[in-house]
Amino acid sequence: DTGVSQDPRHKITKRGQNVTFRCDPISEHNRLYWYRQTLGQGPEFLTYFQNEAQLEKSRLLSDRFSAERPKGSFSTLEIQRTEQGDSAMYLCASSSATSTDTQYFGPGTRLTVL
Amino acid sequence: GQNIDQPTEMTATEGAIVQINCTYQTSGFNGLFWYQQHAGEAPTFLSYNVLDGLEEKGRFSSFLSRSKGYSYLLLKELQMKDSASYLCAVRNAGKSTFGDGTTLTVKP
Repeated sequence: DTGVSQDPRHKITKRGQNVTFRCDPISEHNRLYWYRQTLGQGPEFLTYFQNEAQLEKSRLLSDRFSAERPKGSFSTLEIQRTEQGDSAMYLCASSSATSTDTQYFGPGTRLTVL
Repeated sequence: GQNIDQPTEMTATEGAIVQINCTYQTSGFNGLFWYQQHAGEAPTFLSYNVLDGLEEKGRFSSFLSRSKGYSYLLLKELQMKDSASYLCAVRNAGKSTFGDGTTLTVKP
């Protein structure tokens, strides 16, 4: 079990550019989650998948954000036309849909929009 | 909607016991989680409660009262490495809602 991995760990971009992040979950986990976290706040839910199906997406998420999990394994989160307010840590977590459904987090991708 | 409240900061002394409280008001409930998060790192799982009562795991214990919408995390024999943020999270179906965390500072 290698844990949840995320790539890249850091991303600096200019306002208006598009960015894409990747998450590889724990191999036997069928659920995958994306969160955003800013300093002093808890993780804020963005979206989650069960296998390849996107089951829920936060209403706070603008149309500039999209996530995919095409084969039910890794997932990508894309942000189009980035804004300075998108600067945050983007966390991915995975879980197995069991009675506890405990989420295990990856190290995160820190995005800085200049 | 979901609302989760935790104290923003707490300070305690090495070797002591500290209790971090969490109150929640949620539209649904499928369990409550506690996570530890060191600065600049991802949250790590500490405990899970779905039924009322106390769950003990080494130096850490977590309590839940569903009727009161209340949980606490109890940390015993505090160590300097316990200085971190502690996050309370409530799961509703597949989605979890997190509080903003309690920053615990352990002093010698």
